[in-house]
Amino acid sequence: AQRVTQPEKLLSVFKGAPVELKCNYSYSGSPELFWYVQYSRQRLQLLLRHISRESIKGFTADLNKGETSFHLKKPFAQEEDSAMYYCALKAATNKLIFGTGTLLAVQP
Amino acid sequence: GAGVSQTPSNKVTEKGKYVELRCDPISGHTALYWYRQSLGQGPEFLIYFQGTGAADDSGLPNDRFFAVRPEGSVSTLKIQRTERGDSAVYLCASSLAPGQHTEAFFGQGTRLTVV
Repeated sequence: AQRVTQPEKLLSVFKGAPVELKCNYSYSGSPELFWYVQYSRQRLQLLLRHISRESIKGFTADLNKGETSFHLKKPFAQEEDSAMYYCALKAATNKLIFGTGTLLAVQP
Repeated sequence: GAGVSQTPSNKVTEKGKYVELRCDPISGHTALYWYRQSLGQGPEFLIYFQGTGAADDSGLPNDRFFAVRPEGSVSTLKIQRTERGDSAVYLCASSLAPGQHTEAFFGQGTRLTVV
């Protein structure tokens, strides 16, 4: 079965603390994984994708096929990082399968 | 246009009524997707168009749901005999022809409330 699991509904950290948003997936083929972010009152937007191996706004994510994980990390959280984060898997026919999302709250 | 546009932004309807939700994709984007997001959940795939045809409609929950894209641009999601369980945010996304580096751009969504 194709599935994306985000075990944490809410992650609360203090400004400057490290952040790790967990994502695990189940997919029989070669996975293509993404992180999407939704800031308050804004539309869903792409944060990063694993094939680009890039760092966006200080966030990175490494695909670990052995652990079937794609955790999102940032060494020092900022208040403006507070948002809803969704991990997504691109399945056949290019549809995206989303996790349930993790709300990141960065406290001052 | 600046991005994917969805109208209306909010829709309240009575149980049993028919509703239409509209999506204007980014100009030149051949791929168009509809998703539904219920409270506390991630977006759930409904249907994918490549051009005018539905390439994958496996996510439509039942035959009350139907979507069209007659000219390969604007799409309409149609829901017949609405039920309270249909209440959700309906998201539309568009992209260039699917490929490894293609990014899907999302609209702001239509919040449908069935009372």
